[in-house]
Amino acid sequence: QVQLQQSGPGLVKPSQTLSLTCAISGDSVSSNSAAWNWIRQSPSRGLEWLGRTYYRSKWYNDYAVSVKRRITINPDTSKNQFSLHLNSVTPEDTAVYYCARAKYDSSFGAIDYWGQGTLVTVSS
Amino acid sequence: QLVLTQSPSASASLGASVKLTCTLSSGHSSYAIAWHQQQPEKGPRYLMKLNSDGSHSKGDGIPDRFSGSSSGAERYLTISSLQSEDEADYYCQTWGTGLGVFGGGTKLTVL
Repeated sequence: QVQLQQSGPGLVKPSQTLSLTCAISGDSVSSNSAAWNWIRQSPSRGLEWLGRTYYRSKWYNDYAVSVKRRITINPDTSKNQFSLHLNSVTPEDTAVYYCARAKYDSSFGAIDYWGQGTLVTVSS
Repeated sequence: QLVLTQSPSASASLGASVKLTCTLSSGHSSYAIAWHQQQPEKGPRYLMKLNSDGSHSKGDGIPDRFSGSSSGAERYLTISSLQSEDEADYYCQTWGTGLGVFGGGTKLTVL
């Protein structure tokens, strides 16, 4: 059974960096058949995919166009976890943030496990 | 551009069946999708992967009442023998050129 445990602050000041971590149990961040995603949800944007990191002989990242200039997702193999860093945040980045695993069979990765969610508020 | 379109709301009676629809934008009718359920005040839960031929594979512990089917660019989620706990938001999701895409969700009310 895969479990994803999120941690990080719930309040971030405008212009600062939002940082969250997702600890993985029951799978490996270095798995060749998984990708590790960050997704957020707000009333105005619904569910919004932010990006992913995955290992296929080397590490890859993909990021949503909407946040591409501000986002970094990093794997940490020593702790079997991955992190989200979103810089220059504004109140519009206020949302519930989820980490999630996508498991690949053939070419489609089903997002099959979600973290518990972290409400992050951007406010001074 | 890949877009997933869902009706904002649906309703059905307790014990009845309901069929929710997710429509893939033009040129993407062969894409597989995933269905997710989000009950009130909870995080999303994976229901199933649904292929363009209607074959599907469900997540751990998903009841047989949940099934999927496909026709052209449309992907369906059918819930039979509706129970009160099925009242939730339902989202479809897929991938386009390596980027994740979600539909806007359908809010299901069980009457």
